[in-house]
Amino acid sequence: DAGVIQSPRHEVTEMGQEVTLRCKPISGHNSLFWYRQTMMRGLELLIYFNNNVPIDDSGMPEDRFSAKMPNASFSTLKIQPSEPRDSAVYFCASRAGGETQYFGPGTRLLVL
Amino acid sequence: KNEVEQSPQNLTAQEGEFITINCSYSVGISALHWLQQHPGGGIVSLFMLSSGKKKHGRLIATINIQEKHSSLHITASHPRDSAVYICAVNTGNQFYFGTGTSLTVIP
Repeated sequence: DAGVIQSPRHEVTEMGQEVTLRCKPISGHNSLFWYRQTMMRGLELLIYFNNNVPIDDSGMPEDRFSAKMPNASFSTLKIQPSEPRDSAVYFCASRAGGETQYFGPGTRLLVL
Repeated sequence: KNEVEQSPQNLTAQEGEFITINCSYSVGISALHWLQQHPGGGIVSLFMLSSGKKKHGRLIATINIQEKHSSLHITASHPRDSAVYICAVNTGNQFYFGTGTSLTVIP
């Protein structure tokens, strides 16, 4: 199994631009999580989906952030417009049922 | 006040030493997770606990629900155990994360 796949692995953009991060969960997993990690705030849960339905998006910082999961094998996290304070590593994780989560390699985002 | 507190923040050990990392939390939880993040940034989920104890190789995780406390133990530590260990709790509809314990194991 290829594990959780995230793309791109690195993204550098200018403030004001739209950024789209992508995640392919492990096949058969029915839960998907988006996290953000910064030096200042550590690891934070942004949103998670069960069976493609958003369950808790209370961690989404503001309206500039949106996440979708159109099917069981794909999710996107979009930031529009991006700001320098959005610079972070964004992790996607998936799990089957109530078992442990498997993390993707992360996307390093730098907004200039 | 943070919902999840870890100690110590930093830990240096000699290879072979027994290591304990502690996690205390202040909220009701459905599960507690121990995560490992290597210097390259990748995150691995080590354990998910809701009660008792779990063991995987040289790693042991325990949880005391009444005391709202969990420990992660590493026996016969090895330099490859050097990483940041993060405690996270799931309240059922929210996750809270500790700030992590940075472990360095010296050969």
